[in-house]
Amino acid sequence: GAVVSQHPSRVICKSGTSVKIECRSLDFQATTMFWYRQFPKQSLMLMATSNEGSKATYEQGVEKDKFLINHASLTLSTLTVTSAHPEDSSFYICSAGTDYNEQFFGPGTRLTVL
Amino acid sequence: TQLLEQSPQFLSIQEGENLTVYCNSSSVFSSLQWYRQEPGEGPVLLVTVVTGGEVKKLKRLTFQFGDARKDSSLHITAAQPGDTGLYLCAGRVWTGKLIFGQGTTLQVKP
Repeated sequence: GAVVSQHPSRVICKSGTSVKIECRSLDFQATTMFWYRQFPKQSLMLMATSNEGSKATYEQGVEKDKFLINHASLTLSTLTVTSAHPEDSSFYICSAGTDYNEQFFGPGTRLTVL
Repeated sequence: TQLLEQSPQFLSIQEGENLTVYCNSSSVFSSLQWYRQEPGEGPVLLVTVVTGGEVKKLKRLTFQFGDARKDSSLHITAAQPGDTGLYLCAGRVWTGKLIFGQGTTLQVKP
């Protein structure tokens, strides 16, 4: 099956620092990757769509300068939370799209900003 | 704004009972996917339904896509404690994005 990995799985940082989260499709090439944010006991909220070799498309209300997305290759997308603050603490999940229009999700990254 | 209304949001039942989760929208989706998510993990794809009226079975789980491709249901027969988790429906729109329902937290008591 399609496997998507995320690194790190858990990160704790101080307020004001930047954190980079990696998302990799391990056994397939993904022209499109998606970044989601999930609050406890809630559903997933799409933050942005990342296309390889082009700029990400951000959802309404998501600050592009705050959440930097880079999709450098067909198997890697990164999300950088810049100048993180406690309100940015959340569960961040990426997904990768296949040619069959299915999305497979990574295991998520728990970000805690102190 | 495309919305996918999922119900119920919380469900607590005894082992052996049956249950149905519904997802409804006024929008037409090119496909609809059902996921199950455990705490602290990413969603795991259970099934994708594409054709209006399509029914797919996965052991004790039965998934149905509405004729108009606006709604879907998940039926679990004889639920087991191992079925406990968060179930998410997600409709795919033409841009490739998934529109998620609010999720159904299922607890199956032994």
